[in-house]
Amino acid sequence: DVKVTQSSRYLVKRTGEKVFLECVQDMDHENMFWYRQDPGLGLRLIYFSYDVKMKEKGDIPEGYSVSREKKERFSLILESASTNQTSMYLCASSPPGTNYEQYFGPGTRLTVT
Amino acid sequence: GQNIDQPTEMTATEGAIVQINCTYQTSGFNGLFWYQQHAGEAPTFLSYNVLDGLEEKGRFSSFLSRSKGYSYLLLKELQMKDSASYLCAAPHSSASKIIFGSGTRLSIRP
Repeated sequence: DVKVTQSSRYLVKRTGEKVFLECVQDMDHENMFWYRQDPGLGLRLIYFSYDVKMKEKGDIPEGYSVSREKKERFSLILESASTNQTSMYLCASSPPGTNYEQYFGPGTRLTVT
Repeated sequence: GQNIDQPTEMTATEGAIVQINCTYQTSGFNGLFWYQQHAGEAPTFLSYNVLDGLEEKGRFSSFLSRSKGYSYLLLKELQMKDSASYLCAAPHSSASKIIFGSGTRLSIRP
């Protein structure tokens, strides 16, 4: 069974704090993704990575950065959290290419106050 | 550009059949996905169509027409547990990523 885990289910941070969201997958997948999901806006891609140390901007990368030092781990960093980054954050992984299903982690609901 | 459209909300009755439509515009085509997402949970994969026609998986079927840029998800013998959002998604034409629609929230009434 593919397993994608995220470091926290719920997180509350203050404006200006640096926030790390961790994602780990155990299926040796090349591709990893970070999305945020907001009501009425659906899933929006923040960043993705197709290999270790490789990263590509998604549709809404502003205010975020990522790190992929190991194949199984993909971290999302909010350099200085703001209230408009309050959202559900979902990590996903898949084999290489785009014709494979993505496996999602349980999500982290981040609240920035 | 790429665009995916699907209805925002639908309601159906337990035991009935419901069809959720999705239209997409892509500059190149490489298949179409359907995911299910229960409230507060992560999306889970339902189906992937790359050829025209209907693919059946138990109570759920997915249809694709590449010439019309159209897909639908058909749910039969609806159960209360089918209340969820259903997301249509297509691979980006030039990058290793998938574009998701905003999702259709399906409510099942007894």
